[in-house]
Amino acid sequence: DTAVSQTPKYLVTQMGNDKSIKCEQNLGHDTMYWYKQDSKKFLKIMFSYNNKELIINETVPNRFSPKSPDKAHLNLHINSLELGDSAVYFCASSQDFLDGVETQYFGPGTRLLVL
Amino acid sequence: GQNIDQPTEMTATEGAIVQINCTYQTSGFNGLFWYQQHAGEAPTFLSYNVLDGLEEKGRFSSFLSRSKGYSYLLLKELQMKDSASYLCAPGSNYQLIWGAGTKLIIKP
Repeated sequence: DTAVSQTPKYLVTQMGNDKSIKCEQNLGHDTMYWYKQDSKKFLKIMFSYNNKELIINETVPNRFSPKSPDKAHLNLHINSLELGDSAVYFCASSQDFLDGVETQYFGPGTRLLVL
Repeated sequence: GQNIDQPTEMTATEGAIVQINCTYQTSGFNGLFWYQQHAGEAPTFLSYNVLDGLEEKGRFSSFLSRSKGYSYLLLKELQMKDSASYLCAPGSNYQLIWGAGTKLIIKP
């Protein structure tokens, strides 16, 4: 019944490792997002996909690569993890992305800690 | 540039009323959202305003003035479970611009 799900919920890893976070939505939405929320609680958009096509790609290191195999899934792969990547990563989805006016529904978040 | 300004923290008493203000500057504007985020949880949708005026939804109301770049969230009959962060997010250029949120502490 979960609308937007993410795995894993917690991720503890060493600097330099490569890791992936998976996101799935069963709401039938066309648009999915990845956000990073740091310790200061700012939500920063990283990427947005609409029908598997990239529409927003903010200034994010190219160590971060999103992949959307279909419109219900948006995964995030991170290469060569750094200490500063420690944060909570939220996946979200919306019906569409019409000028950003659509309500976004968030997954539970993935708490990433890089040691 | 784009800027959202909300108070960092507010304290209120159970049963009382509290108003959380938000001022914003965005390049383009397509409505404004308020979200609630409990500690350690995901943001959840509370309200959306696209026209000037007040939108009421149960104990929560949200107001928008586009000409002033101003919105507020009004919470009535406060309950302990309302202790959370409240995020103001105007829509602009295909995305939501998020403020840092206002942490609301409810005291008995």
